[in-house]
Order: sequence, then structure tokens, then C-alpha cells
Amino acid sequence: GQQLNQSPQSMFIQEGEDVSMNCTSSSIFNTWLWYKQDPGEGPVLLIALYKAGELTSNGRLTAQFGITRKDSFLNISASIPSDVGIYFCAGQLVSTGANSKLTFGKGITLSVRP
Amino acid sequence: DADVTQTPRNRITKTGKRIMLECSQTKGHDRMYWYRQDPGLGLQLIYYSFDVKDINKGEISDGYSVSRQAQAKFSLSLESAIPNQTALYFCATSDLEGGTDTQYFGPGTRLTVL
Repeated sequence: GQQLNQSPQSMFIQEGEDVSMNCTSSSIFNTWLWYKQDPGEGPVLLIALYKAGELTSNGRLTAQFGITRKDSFLNISASIPSDVGIYFCAGQLVSTGANSKLTFGKGITLSVRP
Repeated sequence: DADVTQTPRNRITKTGKRIMLECSQTKGHDRMYWYRQDPGLGLQLIYYSFDVKDINKGEISDGYSVSRQAQAKFSLSLESAIPNQTALYFCATSDLEGGTDTQYFGPGTRLTVL
């Protein structure tokens, strides 16, 4: 089946630093989504990408849909303590029609040192 | 009020007990999902339902069953709980708007099986 790879499993950065995460797959996806899970809560959608090459921002977050359609990147600029959490990528192969659904990566746990 | 609610939020039970976790949504979505989260393993899909008459097994359905009582309600049951079912459980909903399976998650249920 389709698999999404996110690594490393954990990242540790200093407050104020920028951080970049990527998500790769051997399969082509038509849609990429990025979610964040705060400690003790459910994942929340951050950014959705629908076209190859698309670059979308949401505040200090910027995500890109890779040209090959097999990867996506999420950048967080000027990190702050509340950026702590688990970041999941998710992809969808829309061409499978009405049965299409998201495939999730295993997530990256981000820690921010004050 | 939250769009996707889960009850209970926390549950401690003993091996062999029958447990039901409930999910309700006010988003009017047809699709509902149950996931299990263990540290480092991401979100593993247990069961999903694309409408009231549709139930599908996910990656890890063994030991679990579900019931879609209405469009708004999707319950997960553990017929005979075992310790390795100790995990965080999430319900999610989506409506395939625009062909994208954007999922919205509940706050989770933390289940401990002793």
C-alpha cells in the first residue's frame, strides 16, 4: 500500500530557529495535507496543497507540494515554544475516486528549547 | 461546541472487559474514521465508514468492532480488552469536499487496559 515517510522521528531546536520537515513517498499523490497535534489533543489541519509546485503559507508556516508529486515540505520560521507538538503529513491519491482517502505519515515530534 | 466529540476522554479498564468508545459529530459529514495512536507509530487506521451503510476494515481491525448508528455517530468496541490495546484513540470525520478527504479529528480517548 501507499506509505509516507517522515524522518527523523524527533527534532529538537532552539526558540527562534527555523525548521524544515519533509515527507516522501514512492507513490504519486494529488493532494498533500499537513496536520499538527498539540500534546493531549487531536491533530488539526495546518495547510492543504492541491497542485504540484504549489507553495502555501499560514503565518510562520510555509508548505510546498513537490514537483515530482512524491514529496512535500513544511517550514516553520522563527520557532516559538507553542510550536511543540507532532507534525503529520498526509497524502491522497484523488484518482482512486469515491473510495479515496488520506494516507498519514508517522509524524515528527518537535521540541523547542527556550 | 466542538464539532467532533469523543466519550469518554479517559478510561481505565481491566483485561477481558468489553469497552465502547463513542464518537459524535455535528459537521454533517458522511465519512467517519477510528484511529489508534501509539508513540512512534503514528495514526493507525482501525475502521472507517463512508456512509451509514458502509463499514470497512483498516490496517489493524483485529480485536475491534464498530457500529455506525447514524450519520453523526460511530462507535468503536473492544469485545475483550487486552493490555496491548492501551493507546490513544481518535475519531475523525470528512466529507470528500472537492474530492479531498480533509479529516477533522476529535480530542481523543486515552484507554488503559490493566
